[in-house]
Amino acid sequence: AQKVTQAQTEISVVEKEDVTLDCVYETRDTTYYLFWYKQPPSGELVFLIRRNSFDEQNEISGRYSWNFQKSTSSFNFTITASQVVDSAVYFCALSEAPTGGFKTIFGAGTRLFVKA
Amino acid sequence: DTGVSQDPRHKITKRGQNVTFRCDPISEHNRLYWYRQTLGQGPEFLTYFQNEAQLEKSRLLSDRFSAERPKGSFSTLEIQRTEQGDSAMYLCASSLGPGGNEQYFGPGTRLTVT
Repeated sequence: AQKVTQAQTEISVVEKEDVTLDCVYETRDTTYYLFWYKQPPSGELVFLIRRNSFDEQNEISGRYSWNFQKSTSSFNFTITASQVVDSAVYFCALSEAPTGGFKTIFGAGTRLFVKA
Repeated sequence: DTGVSQDPRHKITKRGQNVTFRCDPISEHNRLYWYRQTLGQGPEFLTYFQNEAQLEKSRLLSDRFSAERPKGSFSTLEIQRTEQGDSAMYLCASSLGPGGNEQYFGPGTRLTVT
């Protein structure tokens, strides 16, 4: 069965600090997709990144970077030099294919507070 | 604005009443998803469509819930005989392609059952 665990419920940092959000997943499929979404205080979820199970290359996009390790079933997200605008709830999600029918399971989220 | 839209944004209803929500996906997107989100939790999958076909429905979804996507365009989610436990944010998302692609979310409909 699919499962996504975000063990950190809340994280508080001071602006310009680096912060890593952890995500651990469980799946029986060999083909699956992992995602990170951001939900700012305004409420609408925003897509950040998608990774398929065959691509373990880490990715960097500006201040954001993602570390995908199949050996530990983890897909962690790092924000470098955090800013107040990064304050939001961040969700990790898993979509299995095709046996999972691409149903997407979300973790419970990590609320990030960035203080000025 | 060509994003996902949802209507209404807020709905207050009395227990036992029926409610219907509408979602208009991004026009070229063939997949449409419904989720429910309660405070402090991640979106919980309810159902999804590929074009007009409903491909999967969560086992958590009671028979009081039904969703349609006629003609593979907009979708409606109906809740019959609402209960206080149905109070939540109902989110709609759409995506393009065979599956596994990123989803684009609407602003949600907040339902309050009194």
